[in-house]
Amino acid sequence: AQTVTQSQPEMSVQEAETVTLSCTYDTSESNYYLFWYKQPPSRQMILVIRQEAYKQQNATENRFSVNFQKAAKSFSLKISDSQLGDTAMYFCAFSSGTYKYIFGTGTRLKVLA
Amino acid sequence: DAGVIQSPRHEVTEMGQEVTLRCKPISGHNSLFWYRQTMMRGLELLIYFNNNVPIDDSGMPEDRFSAKMPNASFSTLKIQPSEPRDSAVYFCASSLTSAYNEQFFGPGTRLTVL
Repeated sequence: AQTVTQSQPEMSVQEAETVTLSCTYDTSESNYYLFWYKQPPSRQMILVIRQEAYKQQNATENRFSVNFQKAAKSFSLKISDSQLGDTAMYFCAFSSGTYKYIFGTGTRLKVLA
Repeated sequence: DAGVIQSPRHEVTEMGQEVTLRCKPISGHNSLFWYRQTMMRGLELLIYFNNNVPIDDSGMPEDRFSAKMPNASFSTLKIQPSEPRDSAVYFCASSLTSAYNEQFFGPGTRLTVL
């Protein structure tokens, strides 16, 4: 069975600093997709970034980037120049290309002024 | 473009009452999902529709829960009778059926059953 583990329930970072959120997963699939979703206090789930497993290059979206280590089954999210608006729950999710997402339990990130 | 629309945003009801949650997916999306989010269990997939047909309802907790999708632009999740343990945030999400399958979430309905 596929699983997604986020081992950091809570993290905090100073504004303008960099923070890395961890995610590991387990699968026997060779091709799959990984996602990071942000859930701010408004509750809306917003896609932050995604990675296709067959792509070697790490995905980047502005201040957000991932470190995808396929052999280690690791998919961490780096947020650079953290802003107060980055305060949210962050969920890592896995999909083997079917409809089903497997979500991690989330990491609550607080950006401190 | 309007995103996924859910109503109501908040619902407070008493145990035993019927509750109906509504969802309008993004136009053109042919996959629709209902999720439940609680502190204890995180995000759980309740049911998945593709082209208005229920494909996977294995996450529906019990017979008190039912979901319908009468057309491509509307879905309902009904709980009858409701119980306090049903209190949660219920999300609807939609996507295009593709290998890349990014899911777009609605704002959620916070249900409180007293």
